[in-house]
Amino acid sequence: ILNVEQSPQSLHVQEGDSTNFTCSFPSSNFYALHWYRWETAKSPEALFVMTLNGDEKKKGRISATLNTKEGYSYLYIKGSQPEDSATYLCAFPNRDDKIIFGKGTRLHILP
Amino acid sequence: DSGVTQTPKHLITATGQRVTLRCSPRSGDLSVYWYQQSLDQGLQFLIQYYNGEERAKGNILERFSAQQFPDLHSELNLSSLELGDSALYFCASSTLTSGGIVAQYFGPGTRLLVL
Repeated sequence: ILNVEQSPQSLHVQEGDSTNFTCSFPSSNFYALHWYRWETAKSPEALFVMTLNGDEKKKGRISATLNTKEGYSYLYIKGSQPEDSATYLCAFPNRDDKIIFGKGTRLHILP
Repeated sequence: DSGVTQTPKHLITATGQRVTLRCSPRSGDLSVYWYQQSLDQGLQFLIQYYNGEERAKGNILERFSAQQFPDLHSELNLSSLELGDSALYFCASSTLTSGGIVAQYFGPGTRLLVL
């Protein structure tokens, strides 16, 4: 059984502070890793698709790194803003096209 | 707006009934995925179709079935509904046959309540 774990489950961060959270996944037979942002009352929105060990991707103040050998990815948010409040999901697709989502990290930005 | 549409937005029905959820993918996307999100659960992958053919199957119950039509829209049929089937059902689409290396675009979801 493949497990995708995200930690922490929930995070409260002061506006302006930077933060990061983790997605752990099986390191064998790695294919790709996805990050999604899911705002309340909306649908998940793709942030990054990562495929190579050592990959680092950036979108504005949000960036992600990937370590396929040890099976983890970090998502970083620099200078958190209220609009960053959301649940951040990672997803682990395998070569059989079955996709496993983590339960997410719920980020709350405090004004 | 992701370009993926789902109808209806909300559905309330009774146990034992059957419902059909509909999804239209983004223009040009050939793959459609269905997910279920229940209370306190993450997104559970149900099934994927690519250009009309079933491509991958996840945790989909035998009471559930899906299909993708020639115009690429997809329907998820849920029958003999139980209280535990109450959930948010998402459809997503992507361009490629293999969902791994490209992002998926999610529809707004259908919230199903079984009473």
